[in-house]
Amino acid sequence: GIQVEQSPPDLILQEGANSTLRCNFSDSVNNLQWFHQNPWGQLINLFYIPSGTKQNGRLSATTVATERYSLLYISSSQTTDSGVYFCAGYTGGFKTIFGAGTRLFVKA
Amino acid sequence: EAGVTQFPSHSVIEKGQTVTLRCDPISGHDNLYWYRRVMGKEIKFLLHFVKESKQDESGMPNNRFLAERTGGTYSTLKVQPAELEDSGVYFCASSDGHLQYFGPGTRLTVT
Repeated sequence: GIQVEQSPPDLILQEGANSTLRCNFSDSVNNLQWFHQNPWGQLINLFYIPSGTKQNGRLSATTVATERYSLLYISSSQTTDSGVYFCAGYTGGFKTIFGAGTRLFVKA
Repeated sequence: EAGVTQFPSHSVIEKGQTVTLRCDPISGHDNLYWYRRVMGKEIKFLLHFVKESKQDESGMPNNRFLAERTGGTYSTLKVQPAELEDSGVYFCASSDGHLQYFGPGTRLTVT
């Protein structure tokens, strides 16, 4: 079955809006990370968040490991937030499994 | 501090040819990973090095792919012979723990 599942697959926001991206992961996956792939293709790590909540500016993430999900919150979205957001986790050591991503477009 | 670098940024080769991709990790990072994203699909794990040793190469698609990390520094990924389905973006990442830092990727096009 699917080990890392992200929703929604696509999201369009008006600049200034808030959003929540979700990542569900199976029992075999741990050590969640969130990445942003910008329109130039560069993958930027946002959070390493196996559990709990972290915040970095307008972004925050929460992982509830016991319920096998993680949420990425984007507040006051900006056009530069556009791109694809991936969650990923380890399975079997350091083998990393990525979700299919959420493609975000923020309109000016 | 320099980030993860990859060379070349783009490569266009014909089916049957050989291509070698290079990755220079962040200095001091023992862990080095290779991934690829084919046709806009999921980013797929290929393999993981700790220093010069392959810890997990379960994601390597077939024996046309060979990865090496001589001396535990930079790594190369060779595709020989290349097939059309090998086209995609090949990413390298390094870490000194759990947080992985990605390079810009090499876009490989096999025609």
